[in-house]
Amino acid sequence: DADVTQTPRNRITKTGKRIMLECSQTKGHDRMYWYRQDPGLGLRLIYYSFDVKDINKGEISDGYSVSRQAQAKFSLSLESAIPNQTALYFCATSDSPTGIREQFFGPGTRLTVL
Amino acid sequence: AQSVAQPEDQVNVAEGNPLTVKCTYSVSGNPYLFWYVQYPNRGLQFLLKYITGDNLVKGSYGFEAEFNKSQTSFHLKKPSALVSDSALYFCAVRTNTGFQKLVFGTGTRLLVSP
Repeated sequence: DADVTQTPRNRITKTGKRIMLECSQTKGHDRMYWYRQDPGLGLRLIYYSFDVKDINKGEISDGYSVSRQAQAKFSLSLESAIPNQTALYFCATSDSPTGIREQFFGPGTRLTVL
Repeated sequence: AQSVAQPEDQVNVAEGNPLTVKCTYSVSGNPYLFWYVQYPNRGLQFLLKYITGDNLVKGSYGFEAEFNKSQTSFHLKKPSALVSDSALYFCAVRTNTGFQKLVFGTGTRLLVSP
C-alpha cells in the first residue's frame, strides 16, 4: 500500500467549497483510477486514466474533475462540494493489460462535506 | 451488463472454523474474477484472481476461491478462520467490453469471534 499514497487522509469541508484530493504512486504503472466507496454500495468508478494524455469518465463523474499531472500523479477535484459527496475515496493503479492485472489501492481519503 | 453479487452483508464464524464468503457473477464472455480485502482504515488489498485453468485458486493469507462456471460463482474460502481475518471482503469482475474496468460487489463483512 505504501506504493500508492493519498493526501489528505481525512478532510472536513463545507458545502460549496472546492476540494482537491491527491494521489501519487511509485509503482511505475500507466493506469490510475479514482473510486468512491459508500456503505452498501461497494466501490464505484469516478474517473480513470490510461496515461497522462488519456483521461476518461467512469460511472459517476458528475460533480468531479481530474488532472493527470504526471505518470505518477492523479488528482481528483470537487468543484463545489455537496453533502452527498461525503464518502471514502480511493485511488488505484494498474499496469498495462498484457495479461489480467490486479489493481493496487491507496489507503483512502475520508471526505466529509457539511 | 457485467455485475457481481455478494448476497451476505455479514458472515459470522468462530475462530478455527472454516469460512465461506459468497460471490456470484454475470459477465459476457470469459470471466476474470478477483477478491480484495479491506482492513479498517486501509485501502483494498488484492487476495487472489481467477483467469483460466484450475477452478481452485490459492491466494494470500491462506485464502482460496472456487470458480464454478455452471453456478456462475466464485466463493472465497479458508479452512480455518483467524480473528485477524475480520475485515470487509469485495468480489470483483473485470468487464470484457469497452474499457476493461473492475466492477465491484457491495462487500461482505466477515467477523471471526475468538
